[in-house]
Amino acid sequence: ETGVTQTPRHLVMGMTNKKSLKCEQHLGHNAMYWYKQSAKKPLELMFVYNFKEQTENNSVPSRFSPECPNSSHLFLHLHTLQPEDSALYLCASSWDRVGEQYFGPGTRLTVT
Amino acid sequence: KNEVEQSPQNLTAQEGEFITINCSYSVGISALHWLQQHPGGGIVSLFMLSSGKKKHGRLIATINIQEKHSSLHITASHPRDSAVYICAASGGGADGLTFGKGTHLIIQP
Repeated sequence: ETGVTQTPRHLVMGMTNKKSLKCEQHLGHNAMYWYKQSAKKPLELMFVYNFKEQTENNSVPSRFSPECPNSSHLFLHLHTLQPEDSALYLCASSWDRVGEQYFGPGTRLTVT
Repeated sequence: KNEVEQSPQNLTAQEGEFITINCSYSVGISALHWLQQHPGGGIVSLFMLSSGKKKHGRLIATINIQEKHSSLHITASHPRDSAVYICAASGGGADGLTFGKGTHLIIQP
């Protein structure tokens, strides 16, 4: 148990659906991250929030829309995804932008 | 943009062997992270280091800032050490981590 939770753990959605991934951290951290892990590819950074402000958008398509209402919660809103977006989506948090990161268990997303 | 290279990609060893995984990066960083990922996906941070050496149980991590190189060692390896080990760099002009491709380690009894 790392103190970072993600829901749902598994999600199957069609290309026309809209869904959201949720991440919550109970560690009092100020920075939160979304990462994507596709099959046979390295983990890649998607978004960084520090004190609720987005500091990094790693050229992510607009069909992925992050939201950080407070330092404890992070959402990833999904709409009109493509099958190639199927991946493990991991949330992480850290005390600051360069600190040790604590990862959630991930959401396994399948786009049909 | 930082490039993080890891080797080997796959490693199979016998229980008790000394394991070394290597990582190199291309630009200056604030810290180097070693992560462990078990089947199912969960990732655990093993070490974060910016200089020298750290030890936790049978795991040792070292970093050489001048050579932009880090190693993760496992002493007296055990089948429960079987996992994917991932090297990642933070800093280097961007927030978040830049990851290596990971090393898939299998320790056979």
